[in-house]
Amino acid sequence: TAGITQAPTSQILAAGRSMTLRCTQDMRHNAMYWYRQDLGLGLRLIHYSNTAGTTGKGEVPDGYSVSRANTDDFPLTLASAVPSQTSVYFCASSEGSSQPQHFGDGTRLSIL
Amino acid sequence: RKEVEQDPGPFNVPEGATVAFNCTYSNSASQSFFWYRQDCRKEPKLLMSVYSSGNEDGRFTAQLNRASQYISLLIRDSKLSDSATYLCVVNKEVTGGGNKLTFGTGTQLKVEL
Repeated sequence: TAGITQAPTSQILAAGRSMTLRCTQDMRHNAMYWYRQDLGLGLRLIHYSNTAGTTGKGEVPDGYSVSRANTDDFPLTLASAVPSQTSVYFCASSEGSSQPQHFGDGTRLSIL
Repeated sequence: RKEVEQDPGPFNVPEGATVAFNCTYSNSASQSFFWYRQDCRKEPKLLMSVYSSGNEDGRFTAQLNRASQYISLLIRDSKLSDSATYLCVVNKEVTGGGNKLTFGTGTQLKVEL
């Protein structure tokens, strides 16, 4: 069972370039999330989607956008990357918004 | 006050020891609580949910104290493989309905020979 899949695993990106991080789940979960994790700061929610067709802002949404065209996919886009967006990005999904979340393996992104 | 607070540690304990972590939360209306485990540079993985009556899963016991607004995780007979960061997770109601989970920054455990 695949569960939740993120791509790419890692990426080095020049500042100013755009990038889309992909996230796909096969568990038919309603809710999906994007987090970034930085040393000493823990997981911070970027954007979330409680159900297909809806999205919401988390605590650090600036510089990021998401879409939820269907249940399975929840891509995260950096329109114009900046070095402060260097981080590990985790996608997660859950059956409902108060249920436990299941995480992908993460994408390690470096902006130079 | 942070929504979810944990002692970052590290807690260094010998193999076989019993160790306990606490986590405090600020929202008295929170209903769902979880403990996650995260290994270095890996994704967080659900360890266990925390129920009002307390619950046990093998060597792991989770407790909830609503009056004092904290949850705890007890690990008995620590193994080297228990070395990881343990994340406390609490739900939060959001404007417009629905809930979001808030993650603590984690407590690091190192089990030594």
